[in-house]
Amino acid sequence: GAVVSQHPSWVICKSGTSVKIECRSLDFQATTMFWYRQFPKQSLMLMATSNEGSKATYEQGVEKDKFLINHASLTLSTLTVTSAHPEDSSFYICSARGSGTSYNEQFFGPGTRLTVL
Amino acid sequence: AQSVSQHNHHVILSEAASLELGCNYSYGGTVNLFWYVQYPGQHLQLLLKYFSGDPLVKGIKGFEAEFIKSKFSFNLRKPSVQWSDTAEYFCAVKRHDYKLSFGAGTTVTVRA
Repeated sequence: GAVVSQHPSWVICKSGTSVKIECRSLDFQATTMFWYRQFPKQSLMLMATSNEGSKATYEQGVEKDKFLINHASLTLSTLTVTSAHPEDSSFYICSARGSGTSYNEQFFGPGTRLTVL
Repeated sequence: AQSVSQHNHHVILSEAASLELGCNYSYGGTVNLFWYVQYPGQHLQLLLKYFSGDPLVKGIKGFEAEFIKSKFSFNLRKPSVQWSDTAEYFCAVKRHDYKLSFGAGTTVTVRA
């Protein structure tokens, strides 16, 4: 149980285009999902918290107009990188907060590798 | 602000050696602590967690961790590592708002 998927697993795009990444909780409902960014050989940095039915909250220094988050249902959150540039190339990871007895845990997706040319 | 420190950036050891990775956190309240592992090319997996109770926590794959409240530490241990334990290890603390603060990570390389 508690499986989280991400799609796509990798994407290459041209500078200036927008890229949408999906995060799904497959076997549980997640009112809260989190989006992280991981640079090579570095730790995960929280970008934003996505709450179903409300606006996402962003960490300090993260541009909300650059990284659009939508959490339209209890099993899906999307991250759209708008007008992507090479510096946006990174590994993006989502997690979903568990429910019931697992509400104190986060379950992580496999990540999406974004390369902007 | 809550922070997590992992003392070792890169650890290299031989198979069958014992492993201990340090993790210290700065937070005065009730903490929930986690160790995650990220194998090359794979996603984060939970090794073990501490919420309350016995401060010695057993996890998967023979790992354990000890919560020492007075030292604000949650060190990870494994008595005898295998080549397959080569991975990145992250310590994390759950904040009061359910967000996780991660340490910088420790790369563990096990030589056959």
